[in-house]
Amino acid sequence: AQSVTQPDIHITVSEGASLELRCNYSYGATPYLFWYVQSPGQGLQLLLKYFSGDTLVQGIKGFEAEFKRSQSSFNLRKPSVHWSDAAEYFCAVELPGANNLFFGTGTRLTVIP
Amino acid sequence: GAGVSQSPSNKVTEKGKDVELRCDPISGHTALYWYRQSLGQGLEFLIYFQGNSAPDKSGLPSDRFSAERTGGSVSTLTIQRTQQEDSAVYLCASSLAGRETDTQYFGPGTRLTVL
Repeated sequence: AQSVTQPDIHITVSEGASLELRCNYSYGATPYLFWYVQSPGQGLQLLLKYFSGDTLVQGIKGFEAEFKRSQSSFNLRKPSVHWSDAAEYFCAVELPGANNLFFGTGTRLTVIP
Repeated sequence: GAGVSQSPSNKVTEKGKDVELRCDPISGHTALYWYRQSLGQGLEFLIYFQGNSAPDKSGLPSDRFSAERTGGSVSTLTIQRTQQEDSAVYLCASSLAGRETDTQYFGPGTRLTVL
């Protein structure tokens, strides 16, 4: 079945530590890939996106993600987490020719001092 | 410029009542999307408008849900005879031209509670 999987429901990291949020997809063709962040009471904000080309993409707020075709993954990383990064993170895909995004179930990030 | 705006921010209604949710997209954006975010279903697509084309309604969960977009700008999502399972946050997004490469910009959402 077609799906976007974020296996970690909740992750807790210390401020200053590195972060990796996992995302796997299962589609026949390689979709367009996105990471969004949702802070409490806020709408979704795009962090970064991948369509083609360089498989390591840089986004806003110091985030990056790497597309690995062999693993059908698009993991989000940040070398040093800040307390303001505490939020919910959503991986999303858009199939070529489709009209909408398909979202994973989200990973809630808690940052402790 | 201004982002996507939605109103009301919160709506509490009684089961069986009709509700209307409004979305103002970013000026100049021709594509508009509605999504629903609920505890049980996560984030799911509802409907998509692009210019003057017929909307893609493939995500609407039942015929109680409908949406229109007047003048290619403001959109209204209507839920008739609301049920408790309709309780969710309804998110609107817009993009420049609806291409897959166009970023979707999301509004803050309307939290709907059906008692």
